[in-house]
This record gives sequence, structure tokens and C-alpha cells, in this order.
Amino acid sequence: GQNIDQPTEMTATEGAIVQINCTYQTSGFNGLFWYQQHAGEAPTFLSYNVLDGLEEKGRFSSFLSRSKGYSYLLLKELQMKDSASYLCAVVDSNYQLIWGAGTKLIIKP
Amino acid sequence: GAVVSQHPSWVICKSGTSVKIECRSLDFQATTMFWYRQFPKQSLMLMATSNEGSKATYEQGVEKDKFLINHASLTLSTLTVTSAHPEDSSFYICSARGESDTGELFFGEGSRLTVL
Repeated sequence: GQNIDQPTEMTATEGAIVQINCTYQTSGFNGLFWYQQHAGEAPTFLSYNVLDGLEEKGRFSSFLSRSKGYSYLLLKELQMKDSASYLCAVVDSNYQLIWGAGTKLIIKP
Repeated sequence: GAVVSQHPSWVICKSGTSVKIECRSLDFQATTMFWYRQFPKQSLMLMATSNEGSKATYEQGVEKDKFLINHASLTLSTLTVTSAHPEDSSFYICSARGESDTGELFFGEGSRLTVL
């Protein structure tokens, strides 16, 4: 079967750095997305990785290792507004998205 | 970036009535749109894949006669919840696949349905 694993909840301090991991087992791989979702709102796009390595975009970076079936989202200089759920989603061989359950990130002052 | 508009944002209805939710891609053509349902504190659950000009593909466990999906044009898909009941109360979100090579999904704002 297809499976996406990410931690249910993480807590971090304002101004710090946090890494949210995602491991996947899917039938085929055509890229991995990270989305941010605030409570009661639709998800917003953060990053897309299809090649191995690190992609940096401002305070957010995303890393992918296809051989390990592993990705992480790195958030630097955390702000209170970063409190949200972070969703990992893999595009499988049929170009369908397989979603993780999301990681709820709590930022404390 | 691409914009997907979803309407209405909030809807409250009586049990037994039907509710229609619209999803529009405003500045691009979307041959494929997706409908999701999200219960509180849970992840997105794909309900169906809507393909322009053909029947929607429903996920296992989703009643196609209850959740009617129409994708009559390249910019509009509709989800109709027929004979809604309180257990249908949820956050319904649509998304459309963009035209870029990444196949990035653009999400609508979501529609919160409350059935009394």
C-alpha cells in the first residue's frame, strides 16, 4: 500500500529552527509537495521537490532524498504566524497526490 | 499565481436539503479538479477527481449519488451535496491542477457546510 508518515505534532520556540520530516512509500514518485494549512483555511503551497537535494526559499527550505523515501521541511527564524499544520504530499505514478496526515506545529513565545 | 475561487465560503442548511458548491479556476484552464473533505483536526480526504467533460472518479466509500460532481467547462466544477444530513457537516475544499510541468495544485478557499 501507499503510506506517508509525518509526526502528528511538534512544538518550537519563536525565533528558533524546526525540521518537519516526511517519509513515504508510494507506487512511483513524481514529486513531493509541502503545503501549509492554518486552521479553518485551505492549504497554501510551500514547495515542490522532484530531484534530490535542498531547495531554499526564504525562511523555508525543503529537502528530498528519493533513495531513502524521505523529505523534510526546515523552517528558520520561526514566527508566531508559522503556527499551522504542514502537509506532505507525494505525486504517485498515476499523478495522484497521496497526502500525509499533517504535522501540527505549535510556536511558543 | 493561479487563482481558484470557491463559493460559498459558508453555508448553513436544514437536514434533507441540497447544497451546491462551486469551484472556478479564474486565470487558467483546469481539465482536472479535485474535491476534498476535511473534518476537524483531520487531514484532507480526497472525495473525487473531476474531469472536464466526463464522469467524476470517486474514492472508495464516497457515495456518488449523494455527492454529485459536474465539470461542464474547463473553469468550473460543482459539488452538490444532496439530501444533506448533520454528518455531512464538514469543510469542503476544491483544487485544480495548474498548467505548469510540476502539476502544482491550487486550492480554493474552502466551503464550510453546517447541516442543522
